[in-house]
Amino acid sequence: DIQMTQSPSSLSASVGDRVTITCRASQGISNFLAWYQQKPGKVPKLLIYATSTLQSGVPSRFSGSGSGTDFTLTISSLQPEDVATYYCQKYNSAPLTFGGGTKVEIK
Amino acid sequence: EVQLVQSGAEVKKPGESLRISCKGSGYRFTSYWISWVRQMPGKGLEWMGRIDPSDSYTNYSPSFQGHVTISADKSITTAYLQWSSLKASDTAMYYCARPQYGDNAFEIWGQGTMVTVSS
Repeated sequence: DIQMTQSPSSLSASVGDRVTITCRASQGISNFLAWYQQKPGKVPKLLIYATSTLQSGVPSRFSGSGSGTDFTLTISSLQPEDVATYYCQKYNSAPLTFGGGTKVEIK
Repeated sequence: EVQLVQSGAEVKKPGESLRISCKGSGYRFTSYWISWVRQMPGKGLEWMGRIDPSDSYTNYSPSFQGHVTISADKSITTAYLQWSSLKASDTAMYYCARPQYGDNAFEIWGQGTMVTVSS
């Protein structure tokens, strides 16, 4: 089965900083990659699907890129409300594996 | 409004059986797979498996195959996650989730069901 590896596992950045989270698949998954945001005590929320398509209502400071095995979630200007854990997920075929998560904090 | 509503929190003893539910509404229930996702305390999201409610075909993660059973009753638009013998390590929040139209990313999530297994 395909493994999804996220890095870093956590990061601390200042408000306004550009933040980049990477997700690597152990085999190619085309563009079947989604990103979710989970705030403490809340239900996960879909941010990006098909690698780079922003879900309706998600701020434009979030963006996704990549293809094949290497993918990136970028927050162009970190805001206090972006404090959360971010997960990637492959969904080209079962099992629909999640990455281990990246916890984003404000410095 | 499209929504998935899950059953309430459960406290069980090791060895007991349990079935939790996820009721879909506001959409054609048989048109979308329902997945189950586990989140152990302080840990990440783990995809457990999914069911096609139209014919009850299932896929399981190898990590969960044989440990849980996913089922659905399309007549009442409800999916289930079931254990025959719970362990303390099953203590977790469990979410059901549904993909969006035209793409399999999880757009709709249930509110979660907390399962606590303790003697």
